[in-house]
Amino acid sequence: AQSVTQLGSHVSVSEGALVLLRCNYSSSVPPYLFWYVQYPNQGLQLLLKYTSAATLVKGINGFEAEFKKSETSFHLTKPSAHMSDAAEYFCVLRLAGNKLTFGGGTRVLVKP
Amino acid sequence: SAVISQKPSRDICQRGTSLTIQCQVDSQVTMMFWYRQQPGQSLTLIATANQGSEATYESGFVIDKFPISRPNLTFSTLTVSNLSPEDSSIYLCSVELGLAGYEQYFGPGTRLTVT
Repeated sequence: AQSVTQLGSHVSVSEGALVLLRCNYSSSVPPYLFWYVQYPNQGLQLLLKYTSAATLVKGINGFEAEFKKSETSFHLTKPSAHMSDAAEYFCVLRLAGNKLTFGGGTRVLVKP
Repeated sequence: SAVISQKPSRDICQRGTSLTIQCQVDSQVTMMFWYRQQPGQSLTLIATANQGSEATYESGFVIDKFPISRPNLTFSTLTVSNLSPEDSSIYLCSVELGLAGYEQYFGPGTRLTVT
């Protein structure tokens, strides 16, 4: 079965520190993967996407993710956390029929 | 990209009643999707709505409980019927634009509270 798993439902980082959110996927076909962010009381915003081009993908707000087929991973990073990065982040796998399956989400808390 | 609006943005409904949620897109799209986000949880796909055909429901979701209409290429409604407190969730619609590299755009969501 095709799925995504996010390791860690909550992550706490200090302002200025590295943000690392982990995502592993399971797919029988070459995957299309996404990271979305949900700010409090807001809708979902696309951060970045992997669609079989470059394995290092840069997104908005300084985020980037690296697709590693050998590790079936698509971890999200940001070198320096900002208070405005406090939000929930979802790793998402595109399935057949244009459907999306979501990871469980990781809530990021940024400490001053 | 796509601009998606949903109405209402939030509602409080009594047990046993129904709520219809509207989703409007600023461009024509073939497929629209409805998701549910239960409190503190991730998103789960309810159904896929194609214009001119019956919606396709995911396992655990049935048409009697979640009837969907798709009258044209820019609009869809989701009704949550016979409400119970367990239906309290955020409901989101989304669309995929074929030329945009498979990414989906989401509406702002409708927050439903059932009392």
